[in-house]
Amino acid sequence: KNEVEQSPQNLTAQEGEFITINCSYSVGISALHWLQQHPGGGIVSLFMLSSGKKKHGRLIATINIQEKHSSLHITASHPRDSAVYICAVRPLTGTASKLTFGTGTRLQVTL
Amino acid sequence: DVKVTQSSRYLVKRTGEKVFLECVQDMDHENMFWYRQDPGLGLRLIYFSYDVKMKEKGDIPEGYSVSREKKERFSLILESASTNQTSMYLCASSLEGPSSYEQYFGPGTRLTVT
Repeated sequence: KNEVEQSPQNLTAQEGEFITINCSYSVGISALHWLQQHPGGGIVSLFMLSSGKKKHGRLIATINIQEKHSSLHITASHPRDSAVYICAVRPLTGTASKLTFGTGTRLQVTL
Repeated sequence: DVKVTQSSRYLVKRTGEKVFLECVQDMDHENMFWYRQDPGLGLRLIYFSYDVKMKEKGDIPEGYSVSREKKERFSLILESASTNQTSMYLCASSLEGPSSYEQYFGPGTRLTVT
């Protein structure tokens, strides 16, 4: 079993829909990252959080440390949001600075 | 603006060849990482370096080596390329410290070994 599980693996939505991507992890962590990867490979960091909630534009990330769960929400989705969204955690044990990654959620937003 | 660059976007090599992938970052970051990304498996850490000439094995170091002679440059070496090393290779860098810092990724190198 992976230490980081994402759901769903694939998601198709129509423009304007509210989208939720989930991430569950099984280890104690110091931080959780949400990343976005567009076709072609480049990965950008969207959020890094250790508690509560963060918002940036139409994106909202929440984390519940007790339940070991995080969600990424996209409001008023747009075709340019089509990408792979990756959850990654920094475990409390093990080598500092290393991240453990989920396998990603592929999002397709259609007109 | 942090920039991480990789020497090639696409590379095709033959089985048995020695392959060098280079990564350069311009933000004076202590940490640098090499990952490979395969469908259904996500990103897996090959090696990382926390300082010049310092390196640590990641989860899948077999068949790979690394070199970090200067702080800004981190090279991944495939001593004798094999077809199972066909993959997307991503380099990243970050600050070092007790907190978790954002990792900045390069554009990736898609390597095909024939």
